[in-house]
Amino acid sequence: SAVISQKPSRDICQRGTSLTIQCQVDSQVTMMFWYRQQPGQSLTLIATANQGSEATYESGFVIDKFPISRPNLTFSTLTVSNMSPEDSSIYLCSVEVRGLKSSYNEQFFGPGTRLTVL
Amino acid sequence: AQSVTQLGSHVSVSEGALVLLRCNYSSSVPPYLFWYVQYPNQGLQLLLKYTSAATLVKGINGFEAEFKKSETSFHLTKPSAHMSDAAEYFCAVSESYPAGGTSYGKLTFGQGTILTVHP
Repeated sequence: SAVISQKPSRDICQRGTSLTIQCQVDSQVTMMFWYRQQPGQSLTLIATANQGSEATYESGFVIDKFPISRPNLTFSTLTVSNMSPEDSSIYLCSVEVRGLKSSYNEQFFGPGTRLTVL
Repeated sequence: AQSVTQLGSHVSVSEGALVLLRCNYSSSVPPYLFWYVQYPNQGLQLLLKYTSAATLVKGINGFEAEFKKSETSFHLTKPSAHMSDAAEYFCAVSESYPAGGTSYGKLTFGQGTILTVHP
């Protein structure tokens, strides 16, 4: 399994500012993902952040707005830039690791960062 | 492209009653399918997953789901609801890559179903 922590757990920010969210994993992982969960909605993938390569963004998400760093196999950051109230969401990181009980990988999610933009 | 549709954004059952949460998927390749649960103010927890082995998958907390290719469905059931089952449930699909491989890659989630359990 993988234990994932995120910082901060929640924050209230002013319009126009930026917030960097940290994701720390207790083991080395190659595949890491960042998701957004807007109020009352499902999870949407923002980008895939594999170590050693540039992050791959999904349609509707751009690097200038959501820059991602992946400096090593246990850590990643997501920055929400020039925030507006529409960015108010829960941001979650997830990792995929080799399964212990089967040949298939397992995916685990962090607890999320609840962001409110005023 | 892959997609997931969860029928019913809210489901309400009595304690001890059958729980049935519906999920239909669309995928251009054989899918991997998942059910996750999210308790209030908590992260996602995997309930169970289908990875092309047995079509009836048993998960944690007494939940199970059956993969029906002909119906493109992966409905979640539990014979007897408990108050502690009240949460939001998400169905998700991924397309393994490489095809038939052991990696899931990105997940596409359904809209979620909020389960309420009445005493």
